[in-house]
Amino acid sequence: EVQLLESGGGFVQPGGSLRLSCAASGFTFRTYGMIWVRQAPGKGLEWVSAIGSSGDTTYYADSVKGRFTISRDNSKNMLYLQMNSLRAEDTAVYYCAKLNSVSSQTDYWGQGTLVTVSS
Amino acid sequence: QPVLTQSSSASASLGSSVKLTCSLSSGHSGYIIAWHQQQPGKAPRYLMKLEGTGSYNKESGVPDRFSGSSSGTDRYLTISNLQSEDEADYYCETWDRNTRIFGGGTKLTVL
Repeated sequence: EVQLLESGGGFVQPGGSLRLSCAASGFTFRTYGMIWVRQAPGKGLEWVSAIGSSGDTTYYADSVKGRFTISRDNSKNMLYLQMNSLRAEDTAVYYCAKLNSVSSQTDYWGQGTLVTVSS
Repeated sequence: QPVLTQSSSASASLGSSVKLTCSLSSGHSGYIIAWHQQQPGKAPRYLMKLEGTGSYNKESGVPDRFSGSSSGTDRYLTISNLQSEDEADYYCETWDRNTRIFGGGTKLTVL
């Protein structure tokens, strides 16, 4: 059974940093692309970032480019999102999710971790 | 890159059927989409992948009541014999080069 378990969310002041983690199990992690998607309170889903299976290729939404960094450790089956220069508008539940293949749909979601940016 | 447009809300009676629409922007009729369901307070759940031909591939465990179809730039999710647990937000997703795009979501109310 595929499981994705996020952690690292919390309360942070504007300008601060947080590192989210996602522990993956139940599939061969190193062979699948992964993404982060966020959902602001009461709003829809917003894609944040993607990473290829080997970690060599990374992509970002314009809203987070230059502030967020996605990475993975295939030896530990872990996905990460380093978030710097956080803003109030980054407040959201952050989901890690698995891609079915390189250019294909999202097929598994984690349960999410809440990030609150506020003074 | 494509834009996905969904109606903000829909409603239907228990036991009836409902057809939700996800519209691709003009010129993107060939794009494959995915449908996801998000029940209140829960994480999204992948339902199916839907091609422009109307061919769809459901995730294991998704009830037979859920089906997909396509017409031009429109992608549909039909839910038959509506149950109370179908009350949820439904999102469509597509992808272009290295970007993922989500529709704004449709909130389905089961009356």
